[in-house]
Amino acid sequence: AQSVAQPEDQVNVAEGNPLTVKCTYSVSGNPYLFWYVQYPNRGLQFLLKYITGDNLVKGSYGFEAEFNKSQTSFHLKKPSALVSDSALYFCAVRAANTGTASKLTFGTGTRLQVTL
Amino acid sequence: DSGVTQTPKHLITATGQRVTLRCSPRSGDLSVYWYQQSLDQGLQFLIQYYNGEERAKGNILERFSAQQFPDLHSELNLSSLELGDSALYFCASSAGRQPYETQYFGPGTRLLVL
Repeated sequence: AQSVAQPEDQVNVAEGNPLTVKCTYSVSGNPYLFWYVQYPNRGLQFLLKYITGDNLVKGSYGFEAEFNKSQTSFHLKKPSALVSDSALYFCAVRAANTGTASKLTFGTGTRLQVTL
Repeated sequence: DSGVTQTPKHLITATGQRVTLRCSPRSGDLSVYWYQQSLDQGLQFLIQYYNGEERAKGNILERFSAQQFPDLHSELNLSSLELGDSALYFCASSAGRQPYETQYFGPGTRLLVL
């Protein structure tokens, strides 16, 4: 079975400071890893994904994530947070060997609060 | 805007009733996925269809069923509704050709069972 852990329910950061939202995963074989963001009363918006290759993945709105196979982690980062980044962030994993019968397993979400 | 549309946006109904949620995928996408988001269960995968055929099944109750039609839109049917079925139901779509492709989510249908 595959699973995702987001150990922090909430992350608080001041605007202009770097932010990190943590994610660890468990999957059989190689993973495909995703980050999504959810704003209030909206659907999930795709931010970035890791498939293979370079461990540092760059995505939308200045976000990036670092894949670490030995630590089974895929932490989301941004060098300088904005108040408008405040939202609910979800990490998700899919096993690479499931073909197109592709169950995406989500973490419980981390609420990011950026303050002035 | 992801290109995935869902109707209705909100639905209020009573226990024991049956409702149908509708999803239209992005143009060209063959796979449709249904998810349930609730406070206690988080975001749970329910079921996936690919080009009209069921492809993968998750934590979907027997009271729930889904189908994908020839025009690729999908419907999720929820019957004998219980209070605990109150949740946000999302549809997502993808091309359906590669396991690493991104799923694009619709805005969701918020279901309230009274």
